[in-house]
Amino acid sequence: DAGVIQSPRHEVTEMGQEVTLRCKPISGHNSLFWYRQTMMRGLELLIYFNNNVPIDDSGMPEDRFSAKMPNASFSTLKIQPSEPRDSAVYFCASRQGESNQPQHFGDGTRLSIL
Amino acid sequence: DQQVKQNSPSLSVQEGRISILNCDYTNSMFDYFLWYKKYPAEGPTFLISISSIKDKNEDGRFTVFLNKSAKHLSLHIVPSQPGDSAVYFCAASEYSNYQLIWGAGTKLIIKP
Repeated sequence: DAGVIQSPRHEVTEMGQEVTLRCKPISGHNSLFWYRQTMMRGLELLIYFNNNVPIDDSGMPEDRFSAKMPNASFSTLKIQPSEPRDSAVYFCASRQGESNQPQHFGDGTRLSIL
Repeated sequence: DQQVKQNSPSLSVQEGRISILNCDYTNSMFDYFLWYKKYPAEGPTFLISISSIKDKNEDGRFTVFLNKSAKHLSLHIVPSQPGDSAVYFCAASEYSNYQLIWGAGTKLIIKP
């Protein structure tokens, strides 16, 4: 079975550029999460979608960050304009059903903003 | 305020012996607990979970124990194998809340 698929795996770009991260959740999963992992802050939840609808975006750091889920099989996280402090590993996770089910993670996108 | 704490940043265990990873939590409303394993350059992989109505859950070499009165859970791996070397994260949630609250992780090193 295919797991959560993220692309690209690595992204290096200059500050000020637009960055788009992509995620394909596991088929049949109706919840999707975007996380950011840094050494200083660990794993932080950025945004949570349920049935393609954003439920909680309180973790999105600034207006420069936006996320969409146009359908059940695709989501994007966009940073515009990007800054060096956005450098981190970004994970997407999906989950079937409501609570008391595990989230399943993709392998992440390692983002470096120069 | 850290609601989920993994106080040991690292743990070294001999191959074949038991590995015990610990996790403490402060929020008595948590009723679902999970353990994830993470290799470098990969995402966290779900290992095992336990709901607060149980005090033990077992899956092969992995057993999770929950002590609600002490607000403590532990992951036992027996016997430990070289492939178990990874960072292990404890996470917790309330039933009505989608959010997982994560510990900082414990790096497990299995020595040959």
